[in-house]
Amino acid sequence: EADIYQTPRYLVIGTGKKITLECSQTMGHDKMYWYQQDPGMELHLIHYSYGVNSTEKGDLSSESTVSRIRTEHFPLTLESARPSHTSQYLCAASSDGFYEQYFGPGTRLTVT
Amino acid sequence: LAKTTQPISMDSYEGQEVNITCSHNNIATNDYITWYQQFPSQGPRFIIQGYKTKVTNEVASLFIPADRKSSTLSLPRVSLSDTAVYYCLVGNSGYSTLTFGKGTMLLVSP
Repeated sequence: EADIYQTPRYLVIGTGKKITLECSQTMGHDKMYWYQQDPGMELHLIHYSYGVNSTEKGDLSSESTVSRIRTEHFPLTLESARPSHTSQYLCAASSDGFYEQYFGPGTRLTVT
Repeated sequence: LAKTTQPISMDSYEGQEVNITCSHNNIATNDYITWYQQFPSQGPRFIIQGYKTKVTNEVASLFIPADRKSSTLSLPRVSLSDTAVYYCLVGNSGYSTLTFGKGTMLLVSP
């Protein structure tokens, strides 16, 4: 089973700040994903990566950006946080995108 | 990806068997059916996957009729800890991403 780590678990930050949400996995899976989910609502894919130096935007438009310089690391950055960015951000990884994705514990972001 | 339809919510009591049905009328020949479980404030967790007939693991069973236009996730003797959202997804390895939809909120009461 893949181990997926996300830090921080909770973050409260003021408007206009730059933030980076960290995601790391230890199983060497090529594919990694970022989802956004508001409480009680659907998961929305915002970014994904097929491998190193590969990133794509997901179904939901997002002002965040991602990078994939190492297989195990897939950070998400918001250059200027706004209250509309308040949400839970979930990172996942898989060797095959469809069959089984392993999710991290999530980062709950609150922008005041 | 084939569109799926599942109930928004279901209620059950501890010890009962719960069956959640998912409709996927446009399933393609090479599509598989996959179910995920999500607890509040956590990421989804893979439960089970199947192509046809019946699949069983330590957590659940998945029943798929011959026409594959629907599937049923069966949870035997549920407990309070089975309260979660259950997602039905249909697709194949040709897709690199998942679309989770709204899922079914299962509430298990004492």
